[in-house]
Amino acid sequence: DAGVIQSPRHEVTEMGQEVTLRCKPISGHNSLFWYRQTMMRGLELLIYFNNNVPIDDSGMPEDRFSAKMPNASFSTLKIQPSEPRDSAVYFCASSPLRGTYEQYFGPGTRLTVT
Amino acid sequence: AQTVTQSQPEMSVQEAETVTLSCTYDTSENNYYLFWYKQPPSRQMILVIRQEAYKQQNATENRFSVNFQKAAKSFSLKISDSQLGDTAMYFCAFLWPQGGSEKLVFGKGTKLTVNP
Repeated sequence: DAGVIQSPRHEVTEMGQEVTLRCKPISGHNSLFWYRQTMMRGLELLIYFNNNVPIDDSGMPEDRFSAKMPNASFSTLKIQPSEPRDSAVYFCASSPLRGTYEQYFGPGTRLTVT
Repeated sequence: AQTVTQSQPEMSVQEAETVTLSCTYDTSENNYYLFWYKQPPSRQMILVIRQEAYKQQNATENRFSVNFQKAAKSFSLKISDSQLGDTAMYFCAFLWPQGGSEKLVFGKGTKLTVNP
């Protein structure tokens, strides 16, 4: 049974470029989460969706960040324009029916903005 | 706002011994969930154990068990018979499902090293 799939695993880009991170949740899971992990701030929730609808985007740092979930099996996190301070590991996680609250994480995307 | 504190940035233990990782949290709510996640060097986040606050019985998963002290707002993780593969960062997390919210709040983590 495939887990959460994220691509790319590593991304190196120059400041000012657009970056798109992709996530495929576990089939049948209803909720999808985007996290950012840095040494300074630890693990932070950026945004999460339930049944493809954004529920809480209070963690999105600024307008340069946007996330979409066009269907139950795909989500994107876009940064435009990217800045060096966006360098981090970005995780996607998914969770089955509301009430279990168990989140299963993907392998993460390590983003480096130079 | 709920906060999670892990007061031990780093710990080490000898293989086959037992180690306990500490976690405290701050909330005024009564119904919530607590979790321990493991992040090995591969950086994959792995769910280790879950505890519902309304359950008095401590959760266990094989060699992993918790000591949940609701009044003290403490949620420690005990790893028995430590194995080299237990070397990882361990994160404590809190979830308060108000209005159906699924927002996890993480502590800063404890780096555990299991020595041969």
